[in-house]
Amino acid sequence: EVQLLESGGGLVRPGGSLRLSCAASGFTFSSYAMSWVRQAPGKGLEWVSFISAGGGSTYYADSVKGRFTISRDNSKNTLSVQMNSLRAEDTAVYYCAKDGNWNYPSYYFDYWGQGTLVTVSS
Amino acid sequence: QSALTQPPSASGSPGQSVTISCTGTSSDVGGYNYVSWYQQHPGKAPKLMIYEVSKRPSGVPDRFSGSKSGNTASLTVSGLQAEDEADYYCTSYAGSNTYVVFGGGTKLTVL
Repeated sequence: EVQLLESGGGLVRPGGSLRLSCAASGFTFSSYAMSWVRQAPGKGLEWVSFISAGGGSTYYADSVKGRFTISRDNSKNTLSVQMNSLRAEDTAVYYCAKDGNWNYPSYYFDYWGQGTLVTVSS
Repeated sequence: QSALTQPPSASGSPGQSVTISCTGTSSDVGGYNYVSWYQQHPGKAPKLMIYEVSKRPSGVPDRFSGSKSGNTASLTVSGLQAEDEADYYCTSYAGSNTYVVFGGGTKLTVL
């Protein structure tokens, strides 16, 4: 059974930093691209960042480019995102999401974690 | 990276059919067959319903179907059931140096 478990969310002040992690199990983690998707309270879904299966390719939404860094440790089946210079508008539930295809980008997500809440407030 | 356009709401009675649209441009929806649809119940994670315009993952009822014409994709839910009441989001591949773009979401109400 595929499981994705996010952690690391919490309250942080504007300008601060936070690191989210996603522990994956139930599939060959190193063979699938992964993404982070967020949802502000009462709002829609927003794709945030993508990393290829091997970690060599990364993409970011314009809203987080230069502030967020996605990474993965395939030896530990873990996806991470380092979030710096946080703003109030980064407040959201952050989901990690598994790509649908083995070994190449699918442009859809077949499994999602339950999410972790990040609140940016003074 | 402009969001795709969805109607904020849609509704139908049990047993009826409802179609939700998702409008983009030739740079996303119209340019690629990489449209997917997600269902999200309140407080829950999204669930994949349709991928690559019209393919259904295992376990998704065949009451859910997808299509595309030009720059607009559509999700049709036939034989509406109470449990179909949820938010629905479309996504599309959005070109190089990015990955996917989401629609704003549609709240489906079963009357």
